[in-house]
Parts: sequence; C-alpha cells; structure tokens
Amino acid sequence: GAGVSQSPSNKVTEKGKDVELRCDPISGHTALYWYRQSLGQGLEFLIYFQGNSAPDKSGLPSDRFSAERTGGSVSTLTIQRTQQEDSAVYLCASSLARAVNEKLFFGSGTQLSVL
Amino acid sequence: GESVGLHLPTLSVQEGDNSIINCAYSNSASDYFIWYKQESGKGPQFIIDIRSNMDKRQGQRVTVLLNKTVKHLSLQIAATQPGDSAVYFCAEGTGGFKTIFGAGTRLFVKA
Repeated sequence: GAGVSQSPSNKVTEKGKDVELRCDPISGHTALYWYRQSLGQGLEFLIYFQGNSAPDKSGLPSDRFSAERTGGSVSTLTIQRTQQEDSAVYLCASSLARAVNEKLFFGSGTQLSVL
Repeated sequence: GESVGLHLPTLSVQEGDNSIINCAYSNSASDYFIWYKQESGKGPQFIIDIRSNMDKRQGQRVTVLLNKTVKHLSLQIAATQPGDSAVYFCAEGTGGFKTIFGAGTRLFVKA
C-alpha cells in the first residue's frame, strides 16, 4: 500500500481480555517498529524487527506484551490480560533498512481503551 | 537515563509569524536528531533531520538548529500557517535503530 496501515483504528476491551493489533508496513520496508503513546506523552519504544534477525524486545513493558512479524511483512502486537494502564495509542512504523538512524514512516495508530 | 525534553508544552503563534520550538537533549553521544509533526488522529510525520556534524539545516519553510555545546535543538517554522497546528516531537538517534522521542510541543496557530 501507499503507507503504513494499522487495524483496528480503535479497540475497546474489558480488563483481562487479550487484544491483537495489526500493522501492515510499507512494501519493501525491512524494518518495523512498535511504539506506544499515552495521552499527552511522547512515544515509548516497544519492539523492533529487522529482516530475519531476532527482534529487539527491550522496550516491551511486561511479559503480557508480545509481537511477531510473519514473512517479513505484517506484524501483530498482542497484549494478554489487558490492564487499564495499557490504554494508549499503539503506533507502528516502518523504514527502508536498518541503517544508522533511518527516518520512520508511521501508521495512524490503534487507539486502545481498556475498561 | 537518556531523555529528550521540550522547554514548552504549548506554543501559540499568530498566523504569518515565525514559530520556534525548542528541545533539550541529554545524551552527548547522540548523532542524529529528527523533528516529527503529529496531527490529530494521525501518526507522526517526518519533517526534517540533522546530523551532529551540522549546526543548521533548512527545508521548505523549516529550519533546524543544533547547538551541541548546550545540547539544544530548535525547529523554526517561517510564516506559520493554520495547517502547521500540530504536536511537534523532537527525537534523538544514538547510532542505532532506537529513536527516543520527547513529550512533544503543541503548536496553536491563531488566525
């Protein structure tokens, strides 16, 4: 597609439920990132994928969070047993390659609300 | 720890005036700085970047200034327009893939 696509755009769930957020990066981009943005805050790095290399999961806040990237393209971020503090906008970004400091192309995000 | 912060959380300017958004960073090893613009309901969009071996870089209506001595970064927008209203993030790259974002400055443009 023309840009990074994320779905759903909005997700409302109950505390304790699992959720899956999807990201479809720009075609040809080998690097994919997940960030979390809480209300009025900056972007918190979560996880990074580059090609077939093992992902860097250093930003995941707890073991309830996981992500995978299938076939080097689409990525899914899964949050298990959601908590209210998980409410945020989850942003996905992609870039051409893992060069030193590449500019990122972001999707519009998934607004997650945990009731 | 590493941090990228902003001097002002909000900035209000008159249409046609120039805007200056400031940013402080703490990691002297950072070698790449980026400004992103985020409009309501959208993801951040790249505006301009600068490497640490430069002091100034200009784009279309935007200029980024880097002062490494005091670890300060600024974004100047010339002839600010209503479409410039957004949240602006400075971000910092430290030679790897991880980009560290600041909290953002919200720019209001008054007609």
